[in-house]
Amino acid sequence: SQQGEEDPQALSIQEGENATMNCSYKTSINNLQWYRQNSGRGLVHLILIRSNEREKHSGRLRVTLDTSKKSSSLLITASRAADTASYFCATGSYNNNDMRFGAGTRLTVKP
Amino acid sequence: SQTIHQWPATLVQPVGSPLSLECTVEGTSNPNLYWYRQAAGRGLQLLFYSVGIGQISSEVPQNLSASRPQDRQFILSSKKLLLSDSGFYLCAWSVGGRTEAFFGQGTRLTVV
Repeated sequence: SQQGEEDPQALSIQEGENATMNCSYKTSINNLQWYRQNSGRGLVHLILIRSNEREKHSGRLRVTLDTSKKSSSLLITASRAADTASYFCATGSYNNNDMRFGAGTRLTVKP
Repeated sequence: SQTIHQWPATLVQPVGSPLSLECTVEGTSNPNLYWYRQAAGRGLQLLFYSVGIGQISSEVPQNLSASRPQDRQFILSSKKLLLSDSGFYLCAWSVGGRTEAFFGQGTRLTVV
């Protein structure tokens, strides 16, 4: 079964705007990861945040994690048309080695 | 450096035919290996994962099976494909299950 649930399901913005995507999960986690998928391709890892971290930055990406609310957000600042893709969160648990993904947010950045 | 190979890229198979998709990893030892299926425009469903040779965990009962005959080889199989088995199949690996995962380019399976 899936663990993470992203919202919104789809997001359309203009180039230069910021994009915020959210992820909620159900069970205790060891870490939470965000991935990007271009249409019809494999997923590419963007950023990992551990359960004892609250915020992490990587370039134009900012990820927050609130374990009390079991939620995370991914912010892409100053978006570009090349950021158009689907974005997924994935959770890793303490007790086993599975990795579960949410349904994803489809981001469209209009030039 | 580590790489993951997944093939074929596309596959069209008739209903009732067998299936074998292979995934191999290079440049690492004892990886965790995963098979996911993605329906069109949807998220990834975890099908199987393996933490070692011969160790397979199945997430959902289905028409598919997985095997890990070697440390860096993960095979997804079916004896008789169903129409509902169509989808985009992705193989991935990680170290220890608690770090980032690396994905193959996927196999688009169409069962006709």
